[in-house]
Order: sequence, then structure tokens, then C-alpha cells
Amino acid sequence: AQSVTQLDSQVPVFEEAPVELRCNYSSSVSVYLFWYVQYPNQGLQLLLKYLSGSTLVKGINGFEAEFNKSQTSFHLRKPSVHISDTAEYFCAVSEEGSYIPTFGRGTSLIVHP
Amino acid sequence: NAGVMQNPRHLVRRRGQEARLRCSPVKGHSHVYWYRQLPEEGLKFMVYLQKENIIDESGMPKERFSAEFPKEGPSILRIQQVVRGDSAAYFCASSSLAHSTDTQYFGPGTRLTVL
Repeated sequence: AQSVTQLDSQVPVFEEAPVELRCNYSSSVSVYLFWYVQYPNQGLQLLLKYLSGSTLVKGINGFEAEFNKSQTSFHLRKPSVHISDTAEYFCAVSEEGSYIPTFGRGTSLIVHP
Repeated sequence: NAGVMQNPRHLVRRRGQEARLRCSPVKGHSHVYWYRQLPEEGLKFMVYLQKENIIDESGMPKERFSAEFPKEGPSILRIQQVVRGDSAAYFCASSSLAHSTDTQYFGPGTRLTVL
């Protein structure tokens, strides 16, 4: 069974600084990887997903993530954050043949002015 | 295009009462998923339904919880005789396919508080 680890529960950062949110997974089969964002009191919104092909995936709002199979990681990055990026970010993994993704516990990104 | 709709957004119940949570999927989506989110935790899968069928309820407690997705109308998650531990945010998601590559679209959630 797959599992997802988000190593940081909270990441504080100043506005316009770069940020990386870490995600590691474990699985014995092929996986598909997702990052979702949750703004306060809202549902989850897809940022980006990796299915196949290029390991660098670009998403909405200037975010990107890189799939590293050897390190079983899918870290999310943004070169310059805005106050409006303050939110909870969830990494999720789906195994080939499974329709139910497993979610990490989330990382709270806090952007300070 | 309307996204996933959930109502109510907030629900307060006393211990022992029933909670009914509704979810209308994206138009044209026939796959509905329910998740529970406890404070400072990720989403935990509860149940996956297609129209008139429960496909996977492996994440749903065996007692007091039930779900349906009728031919007409929204999907309903029903919690009978609620207890304080049921307090959580409940999210519904829908998809057009049931495949591991498919994106799930989430509703805004129902925040249940049990007094």
C-alpha cells in the first residue's frame, strides 16, 4: 500500500522568497502524484499532477514540482511567493490500478510580509 | 460550470442526533468520493460511490455511518447518533472517470461540530 510523508508541518517564509515543500512517498508499483492547495475554509484545488513524461511539472499560480523516482520524492517549489499563497498544501499519490489517492498530512505555508 | 456543491457548509449537532451531509458533483461526473479531515491531519478516504452503487466503503466506520448516491439528486453522507469524535470537516469530491490518473474535484466541505 502506498504512503505519503510531508516532512514539514509548517513552513514560514517571507514574501518574494523562494519556497520548497517536501513530499516523499512509498509504493511498490507505478504511481501518479498530485499536489493540492486548500485555502482557509475551502475545499482542495489541484495545483499540478505528474502522470508520465517530463519529471518537471508546471502547475497553476507559478508552482512546479519535480518527480524523482530514485528518491521517491515529489517536492513542490515556487521561486517567489506571495501573501496570497498562504494556505495548506497536500501531496497525494495514486497507485496504478487504484482510484483512491492517499493524502499526506499537509504542509501549512505561511507567507509573511 | 458549477463545481462540486456541498451543503450545509456548517452543521452543529448535539450528541445522539443525526447529521445529513449533501454533495452535488460536477455536472456529468458519476463518481463521488467522501473524505474526512480531522484537525491538522490529511484527508482520510471514507467511501466511493457511483450512481446507485457503493463501490468501496473500506474507509467508512461500520456503525452509524452510511452513504448513498441515488439516481436522481445529491449524494448523502449520513451519520446517526453523532458523537464528539465525529466533529471534523467532511469533503466530497467527484470525477468523470474512476482511474488513478483522474483529477478529483473537491467541494468546499461541511464542517460538523458535535456539542
